[in-house]
Amino acid sequence: DAKTTQPPSMDCAEGRAANLPCNHSTISGNEYVYWYRQIHSQGPQYIIHGLKNNETNEMASLIITEDRKSSTLILPHATLRDTAVYYCIARGNAGGTSYGKLTFGQGTILTVHP
Amino acid sequence: DTAVSQTPKYLVTQMGNDKSIKCEQNLGHDTMYWYKQDSKKFLKIMFSYNNKELIINETVPNRFSPKSPDKAHLNLHINSLELGDSAVYFCASSQMGEQFFGPGTRLTVL
Repeated sequence: DAKTTQPPSMDCAEGRAANLPCNHSTISGNEYVYWYRQIHSQGPQYIIHGLKNNETNEMASLIITEDRKSSTLILPHATLRDTAVYYCIARGNAGGTSYGKLTFGQGTILTVHP
Repeated sequence: DTAVSQTPKYLVTQMGNDKSIKCEQNLGHDTMYWYKQDSKKFLKIMFSYNNKELIINETVPNRFSPKSPDKAHLNLHINSLELGDSAVYFCASSQMGEQFFGPGTRLTVL
C-alpha cells in the first residue's frame, strides 16, 4: 500500500468546513483512498473512500486530484463531536493479497473549537 | 444492535498469564481482523481471517493465537503475557469495502 502523509494536527471552528489534506504521491492505479477517524478511546470509524472521482456521503466529501497524488477530506460543517484523529489510507482492492488490511499512519488530530 | 462486539472491554492481568479476547460480528461479513494500538497510538494489523481461514499474520509472536470457530467470531488467545502486550486490541470485520471496528479491549499487563 502506498505511503500517505498528513499534517499532524489542525484546528477548525465549529460550524466551519474542515479541510484535511493527504498526500499519496506513490499511489498505484488500483489503490483506493480511504478515510477513517478515531474519536478518543473508540474504534476507528469509516468515513468515505474513492478511487478517481470525487465522492460525497452524509458524513463528508472526498476530493481527489486528477493525478491522484493527493486528496482532501471535507467536513462541511464541523461540530465539536468531529474532534478526532483522521487517517488517510491508500489501500488496494480487498480481493488482492492484502485482503483489505488497513495500514494506519499517524493521522491528523483535528480539534474543533467553539 | 452492535455490529462488532468485543469482550471484555478491560482486562488487567499479571505477566505470564494466559488470556483470551472474544470478538463477534453480526454483519454477515466474510473477513475479520485483529489490530493492536500501542501506547503511542499506532494502529497495526495483527491477523486477518477470511471464511475462517488465516490470511494475514503480520509477524506476530507465536504467543498470540487467533481462533475462528465460525465466520462470525474471531477470538484472540495470548499465552505467557508480557508487559509489552499492554495495548488496546481492536477487532474489525469487512466484506469487500469499509471495515467496521469493535469498541476495543484495553489489556494491561502488570
